[in-house]
Amino acid sequence: QSALTQPPSASGSPGQSVTISCTGTSSDVGGYNYVSWYQQHPGKAPKLLIYEVSKRPSGVPDRFSGSRSGITASLTVSGLQAEDEADFYCCSYAGSNTWVFGGGTKLTVL
Amino acid sequence: QLQLQESGPGLVKPSETLSLTCTVSGGSVSSRNYYWGWIRQPPGKGLEWIGSIDYSGSTYYSPSLKSRVTMSMDTSKNQFSLRLRSVTVADTAVYYCERLELQFDYWGQGTLVTVSS
Repeated sequence: QSALTQPPSASGSPGQSVTISCTGTSSDVGGYNYVSWYQQHPGKAPKLLIYEVSKRPSGVPDRFSGSRSGITASLTVSGLQAEDEADFYCCSYAGSNTWVFGGGTKLTVL
Repeated sequence: QLQLQESGPGLVKPSETLSLTCTVSGGSVSSRNYYWGWIRQPPGKGLEWIGSIDYSGSTYYSPSLKSRVTMSMDTSKNQFSLRLRSVTVADTAVYYCERLELQFDYWGQGTLVTVSS
């Protein structure tokens, strides 16, 4: 069970869109509809942003969207705002009641 | 509103056992709809899933930690616990307890556990 692969960093200017990728295998990201994304600000607990690949919990702005193609899931942040600067983590079900996270992506708003 | 709170020693010696408890309020650990579990984050690093426990006490652990981890539940206190044996400095991390329903939707604030002599 290996960690999912995310780019270490991403950046964009206010108002722009940024997409963060999360690559796994057919045994996790590509095999189940249970991919979720989390946002973590410094010193804080992670917060659920996206679940089941593309669903948003209530209260999460529609600027955040998720998708998947094959073994790669993606998180898109549209209309970047200063407060979006944070670390982002993907997570996938990996079978047999186990879960695996990505290594995390630090998003910088320029 | 569901709340989770971790508690336990902040300092553990190498080779000893790390023990943490998560107290749940605003919900019941006996609910059949959810799992409860632990995730950790070494300083400056990413998240690592440790394991989960369900209402019946069935446990599921990360393959990489399975040999050292035990989770349990005390429904009378609405708590669940983590024990990690034979710790090393590599186990130094912020430990989060969480609720799992096919996604980790509620998290505790996290507690830093440092492994050091």
